[in-house]
Amino acid sequence: GEDVEQSLFLSVREGDSSVINCTYTDSSSTYLYWYKQEPGAGLQLLTYIFSNMDMKQDQRLTVLLNKKDKHLSLRIADTQTGDSAIYFCAESIGGGNKLTFGTGTQLKVEL
Amino acid sequence: ETGVTQTPRHLVMGMTNKKSLKCEQHLGHNAMYWYKQSAKKPLELMFVYNFKEQTENNSVPSRFSPECPNSSHLFLHLHTLQPEDSALYLCASSRAGPTPTEAFFGQGTRLTVV
Repeated sequence: GEDVEQSLFLSVREGDSSVINCTYTDSSSTYLYWYKQEPGAGLQLLTYIFSNMDMKQDQRLTVLLNKKDKHLSLRIADTQTGDSAIYFCAESIGGGNKLTFGTGTQLKVEL
Repeated sequence: ETGVTQTPRHLVMGMTNKKSLKCEQHLGHNAMYWYKQSAKKPLELMFVYNFKEQTENNSVPSRFSPECPNSSHLFLHLHTLQPEDSALYLCASSRAGPTPTEAFFGQGTRLTVV
C-alpha cells in the first residue's frame, strides 16, 4: 500500500542545518519529491530524486535516499527564517503523475 | 504566483448550500488535480484529470462533483457538505506523462462548512 510518514514539527536555530525525514512503504516508488508550502500559499516543488539515486545536491539542499530502509531526508544547510514553512515528502509510482503525500513537517526557524 | 489560480480564496457555506470552486491554469498543462489538505493529515488526492478525462477518483463522496470542461479549467461542485469537509482545497496542474513532472499548485480555497 501507499503510505508516506513524516514528523509534524521541527524547530531549529537560524544558521543551523535542518534535517527533515520521511519514510514511505511502497518499494516500487519511482520518484520521490520534496515540496514546500509557505503560509497562505500552495505547494511548490523544491527538488526530486529518482529511485536509483542515493543523493542529490542543489545549493543549500541535500536529498538522501536509503532505498533499503525506504527513508528519504531533506537537509537544508544554513537555515534561514525564510525557510520557515511546511515541507511535504511525496512519492510517485511507475513515474506517473499521481503523487502520494505525507502529512508535512512544519519547520520553524528561530533567531 | 505559480500560474494556477483558484477562486474563491475563502468560502463559508451552510450544509444545505450548493457552491463551486474554480481553478484555472494557462501553463499549457494537460493534467489537473484536486487535493484536500486537513490539519495533521496527509494531503489527500481527490480527483485527477488527464486530457479532460477523469482518470482517478480516490473514493471521494458524491457530494463532491468535479468538472473539467477543458484543459485549462477545473471545477469542484459542492452540495450538502458536512462540517468535517472543512479544509483547504488545493488545485494543481502538470504535464501528463510518465516522466517526473513538476505539479504547480494554486493557493487553495479555505472552505468552512457551518
